[in-house]
Amino acid sequence: RKEVEQDPGPFNVPEGATVAFNCTYSNSASQSFFWYRQDCRKEPKLLMSVYSSGNEDGRFTAQLNRASQYISLLIRDSKLSDSATYLCVVRANTGGFKTIFGAGTRLFVKA
Amino acid sequence: NAGVTQTPKFQVLKTGQSMTLQCAQDMNHNSMYWYRQDPGMGLRLIYYSASEGTTDKGEVPNGYNVSRLNKREFSLRLESAAPSQTSVYFCASSLTLSDEQYFGPGTRLTVT
Repeated sequence: RKEVEQDPGPFNVPEGATVAFNCTYSNSASQSFFWYRQDCRKEPKLLMSVYSSGNEDGRFTAQLNRASQYISLLIRDSKLSDSATYLCVVRANTGGFKTIFGAGTRLFVKA
Repeated sequence: NAGVTQTPKFQVLKTGQSMTLQCAQDMNHNSMYWYRQDPGMGLRLIYYSASEGTTDKGEVPNGYNVSRLNKREFSLRLESAAPSQTSVYFCASSLTLSDEQYFGPGTRLTVT
């Protein structure tokens, strides 16, 4: 089992739709969680950190469920510019620093 | 304020050749990282440096060496390139190991 798993997609949604991605992790000692977006042939860019209480940034909402060991990203009112690959990142510091990237979920938003 | 810069952007090597990838950050970050990204596999950590003067192995360190030259610069060296090292290499930095990472634009390396 991979340490961080994401549905690779692709998710094809129309503009204005709401779409949600989940990411599961296996290390119960994981401490920090992030969502990044990556455009084709570009570097990953931080979208948002994920806090225990959940957090929102405009159209984006991130949630953490420690009991079930997953994080989620909800995008409301999808825009064409949201088309990208979304990477979840899980970080732990047990027996050494460890940061694991998921392989990403591809999103296509269509007019 | 350029953030994280990497050189070169593209490189083609023959098997057995060596090269060094350069990375610099101007955000006064303590921690720096080198990743490789291959299709369908996500980013994998090669080496990282928690702070100036320290380096540690990541998930896939074999075939690579690193040098934390100073607080700003962190280089990655391939001593004897192999086709399996064909990949996109990203450098990143963060204020500390627990903070969000900021990435450079990447180096696309092909080993023939």
